[in-house]
Amino acid sequence: EAQVTQNPRYLITVTGKKLTVTCSQNMNHEYMSWYRQDPGLGLRQIYYSMNVEVTDKGDVPEGYKVSRKEKRNFPLILESPSPNQTSLYFCASSSDRGRGYTFGSGTRLTVV
Amino acid sequence: AQKVTQAQTEISVVEKEDVTLDCVYETRDTTYYLFWYKQPPSGELVFLIRRNSFDEQNEISGRYSWNFQKSTSSFNFTITASQVVDSAVYFCALRANNAGNMLTFGGGTRLMVKP
Repeated sequence: EAQVTQNPRYLITVTGKKLTVTCSQNMNHEYMSWYRQDPGLGLRQIYYSMNVEVTDKGDVPEGYKVSRKEKRNFPLILESPSPNQTSLYFCASSSDRGRGYTFGSGTRLTVV
Repeated sequence: AQKVTQAQTEISVVEKEDVTLDCVYETRDTTYYLFWYKQPPSGELVFLIRRNSFDEQNEISGRYSWNFQKSTSSFNFTITASQVVDSAVYFCALRANNAGNMLTFGGGTRLMVKP
């Protein structure tokens, strides 16, 4: 089944403790992206990648890192999480810019 | 810069009513793509439709229809004979050719369909 898999689905962590949210797609898509969803602010793009080793900042990249060493994986790294990064995170992939993104199921992160 | 505005934050209808969700976009690019996504209470984002800027033909898919008008920069979504299962948050999104891989979402419209 074609899908984008994110892990974990839920995560509660403490301020400053590094964490990684994994994202993997099995559709051989070139484009991958991370979004965060916050009440009243909708979905905002954090980082995106157009292919292996090619990444760029979205609207809200501060406090996040990404890497794209393999085509299928695009992990989101929070080196020192803070409470304002408490949010619902989505990973997505697409074969080209004209197609809709396929989204993962989301990761609900709480930083206390 | 590109922008998507969904002026209706919340709509409440009674089952079997028709409802239209508005979407207005801004972009300077002549080549762009518009999308609608549905986010049911379970939280996942479900792709509904895409339309490119060169295709103004309206589309109907079952109870869903989309009206794309470049003259007013709008891409509205109508649900005919709404059902309780249509209750969700609906997002309109824009991806312009010159904006790289940036997919810009509107703020979403929460649709509540009451029995």
